[in-house]
Amino acid sequence: AQSVTQPDIHITVSEGASLELRCNYSYGATPYLFWYVQSPGQGLQLLLKYFSGDTLVQGIKGFEAEFKRSQSSFNLRKPSVHWSDAAEYFCAVGVMEYGNKLVFGAGTILRVKS
Amino acid sequence: GAGVSQSPSNKVTEKGKDVELRCDPISGHTALYWYRQSLGQGLEFLIYFQGNSAPDKSGLPSDRFSAERTGGSVSTLTIQRTQQEDSAVYLCASSSPSGGAVFNEQFFGPGTRLTVL
Repeated sequence: AQSVTQPDIHITVSEGASLELRCNYSYGATPYLFWYVQSPGQGLQLLLKYFSGDTLVQGIKGFEAEFKRSQSSFNLRKPSVHWSDAAEYFCAVGVMEYGNKLVFGAGTILRVKS
Repeated sequence: GAGVSQSPSNKVTEKGKDVELRCDPISGHTALYWYRQSLGQGLEFLIYFQGNSAPDKSGLPSDRFSAERTGGSVSTLTIQRTQQEDSAVYLCASSSPSGGAVFNEQFFGPGTRLTVL
């Protein structure tokens, strides 16, 4: 079955420091991969997506993610974190065989220290 | 343009009561999804509508949950005889028509926070 693992429940980084949020997926076919961000009381906003092609994808707000098939990973990175990046981040895999549903990881809560 | 809207934003109900949650998708989007976000369960798929096709109800947790979509636009998620474990944020998303073997981006609404006392 399809699954997504985000091993870090909470991460705290200092403002200006680099960030990497881990994501591993389990899916038998070519994955459609997504990172979403959710600020308190808000819905989910798409940061970036990977469908095919270049394994390094750029997203909004200065985020990028790298797809590594050999490691079944799709880690999210940002070179310099801003206080406004504090939020919860969700990795997801898109499953077309079952009506284009998204299967989400448990999420990683990012705290930013000033 | 307007995004996905949901109402109410918050709903408090008593155990055993029925509730209805509403979703207005982005105009022109033929696909509509309901997800549930709860502590301990994370984000779970509930149901998917695509055009006039039969909905995919595979994620509904029990027969107390149902959803309909009228006129291919607005959707209502109904929970009958609510239980405390139904307390969660219910998120709606919509996406544009699929033009082929491509997974279309889903745009999410702000959610409805349901509290069952």
